[in-house]
Formats: sequence, structure tokens, C-alpha cells
Amino acid sequence: GAVVSQHPSWVICKSGTSVKIECRSLDFQATTMFWYRQFPKQSLMLMATSNEGSKATYEQGVEKDKFLINHASLTLSTLTVTSAHPEDSSFYICSATDRVRATNEKLFFGSGTQLSVL
Amino acid sequence: GQNIDQPTEMTATEGAIVQINCTYQTSGFNGLFWYQQHAGEAPTFLSYNVLDGLEEKGRFSSFLSRSKGYSYLLLKELQMKDSASYLCAKGHSGYALNFGKGTSLLVTP
Repeated sequence: GAVVSQHPSWVICKSGTSVKIECRSLDFQATTMFWYRQFPKQSLMLMATSNEGSKATYEQGVEKDKFLINHASLTLSTLTVTSAHPEDSSFYICSATDRVRATNEKLFFGSGTQLSVL
Repeated sequence: GQNIDQPTEMTATEGAIVQINCTYQTSGFNGLFWYQQHAGEAPTFLSYNVLDGLEEKGRFSSFLSRSKGYSYLLLKELQMKDSASYLCAKGHSGYALNFGKGTSLLVTP
């Protein structure tokens, strides 16, 4: 299947700092990428939909000024958690759609980033 | 909301069969997905149903009834490595998925 690379795998930071997470589609062009957040023993919650060359669409309750999304190319989307606080500690995972590849596996996931804010 | 409901936990014995049920709101339906997820890892795609009926793929099968807003994942010949969280997800417009909270399956010897 298609490969989505996500970095870093884990990050520990101090409260008040900003953290950038990268999501790359390695063998396909991803016009749309999705960012999810998962708290322990909870569901993956969609945070935002990122479209190449345009502003991201945020789900209700997600602060766009806190979670900055940039999708400047067809293979890269970044999520920046600005002024992170302990309550932002979570598992962040990106996914991308390969609209050219006609398979049932519509979404391809990155490996996730475990963020711990001290 | 999407109201995707599935049991929180299930336990089954190695070699047995287990069925994990999922119900969802039928509005805006664009496919039903099942994923397997181990703690701290990305979900792994298992199946996709968009038409009614049973899709079989090796030891895993998935069933869909669109009119009832109901799906199940059937795991046969359970192995210890099948212990994981199983996520039911509903597709809607734009390829985004809404996930249930997941069913934590424990396979015991």
C-alpha cells in the first residue's frame, strides 16, 4: 500500500513551547491530508482536513490558532502545536488519501506522534 | 454527531470465533471501515464495506447492513496476536473517517 511517513515518532517538550509534526506521502500525491488526535483509550478524533494550497478546515472545538496546519505541497503537511500545555499531550496521527489508486483502503496513516508536554 | 457505537471490551479464547458489533447513524454514509490498532501505533486497515452483505478476507470477515446502520467484524481461529483494539469507522464526504471508540479484544490461551 501507499506509504505515509510521520515525524517525529515521539516528542517531549516543556509547557509553552511549540512542536511541529510532519506528515509526508512518499509514493503518491496527497491533495488531502487529515489530522487526528487520540487520547488514551479513546477514539481517533478528527481535528482538521488539510488541502494542498488552501486553508485547513477545522472540526468544531479545535482551535485553529493553536493547531497550525500547513499543506504547502502535494506531499507534505505539517501540524504545529503552538504554546503546548500538558492537556495537549496526546497521540497525533496524520492520514492521506491517494485519489489515483483505486483500492478499498481509502486512507493511509502515518505512524503517529506521541506528544508529552511537561 | 456520528454516534458510532461498539463494545468497549471483549475477551475470547485462542482458536475461537469472535464477533465485534458496530452501529452508526445512517445519514451521510460513505462506507464502513474496520481497523486494527495496537497501543501507540497507527491503525491497520482490515476491511471496507459499502454494499450490504459479507466480505470475507482470510480469517477476518466484515458484514454491513446499510438500512440498519449495522456492521460486524468476525474474527475466526483467534490467535494471541489478535489481541488489539478494533476500530469501526464511518466514511463520509471528502474521504474523512469518523471513528468509534474501539473495542479492546483480549485473546486468552
